[in-house]
Amino acid sequence: AQRVTQPEKLLSVFKGAPVELKCNYSYSGSPELFWYVQYSRQRLQLLLRHISRESIKGFTADLNKGETSFHLKKPFAQEEDSAMYYCALTAGTALIFGKGTTLSVSS
Amino acid sequence: GAVVSQHPSWVICKSGTSVKIECRSLDFQATTMFWYRQFPKQSLMLMATSNEGSKATYEQGVEKDKFLINHASLTLSTLTVTSAHPEDSSFYICSASSGNPSNNEQFFGPGTRLTVL
Repeated sequence: AQRVTQPEKLLSVFKGAPVELKCNYSYSGSPELFWYVQYSRQRLQLLLRHISRESIKGFTADLNKGETSFHLKKPFAQEEDSAMYYCALTAGTALIFGKGTTLSVSS
Repeated sequence: GAVVSQHPSWVICKSGTSVKIECRSLDFQATTMFWYRQFPKQSLMLMATSNEGSKATYEQGVEKDKFLINHASLTLSTLTVTSAHPEDSSFYICSASSGNPSNNEQFFGPGTRLTVL
């Protein structure tokens, strides 16, 4: 079955600390993985996708097929990074979302 | 960037009535639109996928007679919650995709909060 698992509901860090939001998936084919972010009172928006291999707002994520993971990382967290982060997998056209992780960055 | 709107943003209705929620792509043609449901502090659950001009594909466990989806044009999809009950109270979110194979990014609407009394 296709599934996305985000084990942490909440991740609290101090400003400047490294951040890693975990995401594991199960999928029988070749997946396309995404990270979406939802800032307070804003709509869900795409943060990055694994096929782009780019860094957005200092965040990166590498697809590890051996570990079936797509963890989101940032070396130095900023307060404006505080938001809800969703890992998602596409099975054709539809997106399967994880339960999300709330990232809280405090000074 | 691509913009998706939803209307209304918030609706309260009496049990037994029907509610229609609109999802519009404002600056692009959306061949595919998706409807999600989000419970408080939980993830988005895909309800159905709709392609313009054809019947929606519903996810397992979603009653198609309860949640009527119409995608009559490339810029508009509607979700009608028929005979709403309090357990239908939720946050409904739509997204739209241009269907371009090289860029299948989904753009999300702001959501509609439905409260059934």
